[in-house]
Amino acid sequence: GNSVTQMEGPVTLSEEAFLTINCTYTATGYPSLFWYVQYPGEGLQLLLKATKADDKGSNKGFEATYRKETTSFHLEKGSVQVSDSAVYFCALRETSSGSARQLTFGSGTQLTVLP
Amino acid sequence: EAGVVQSPRYKIIEKKQPVAFWCNPISGHNTLYWYRQNLGQGPELLIRYENEEAVDDSQLPKDRFSAERLKGVDSTLKIQPAELGDSAVYLCASSRRTSGRVRTDTQYFGPGTRLTVL
Repeated sequence: GNSVTQMEGPVTLSEEAFLTINCTYTATGYPSLFWYVQYPGEGLQLLLKATKADDKGSNKGFEATYRKETTSFHLEKGSVQVSDSAVYFCALRETSSGSARQLTFGSGTQLTVLP
Repeated sequence: EAGVVQSPRYKIIEKKQPVAFWCNPISGHNTLYWYRQNLGQGPELLIRYENEEAVDDSQLPKDRFSAERLKGVDSTLKIQPAELGDSAVYLCASSRRTSGRVRTDTQYFGPGTRLTVL
């Protein structure tokens, strides 16, 4: 079956530090990969996605590259801000013709950025 | 464009009581999902609708959980009776079916309903 393994948190960084949150996956097919962010008291928001190998998703200064050879989709940001404090979820979904498929999520990584 | 709307945002009940959650998806989104998110974990799918048809309910505990999506728009998720282990955040998401052979629908999530069973 499909699974997603995320770096365990919590992660605490100072403002302007470099961020990496590791994510690896197991899938039977060729999944699309996603990073979702959940700010306190809010629902999950799509942060970025990549649909095929070597694609790079980017948004709001965050980046992640779909690495098929290492089955990874690590999230990075060069300089974090206090407003980036949230829980980050890595997820996958197999894409195929026909019906949409469910998202499989990792357990989430809590990020706290200190001023 | 309005996002996915869920209500209530919070619910506290005693065990063995019934509870219901409501979701209004984004206009035009034909696919609707209910997820359960336990504390410190990622969401897990309970049921997925394509229009008014439940096409994947394999992870819905059918002895106490039920869902409906009349007219293929709003949806309700019910638990009867609730148990202590049902305390979680219940998330609704929706997506629009994309054109083409390969489906890459993006799911948009509501804020969730936090259920506490005492």
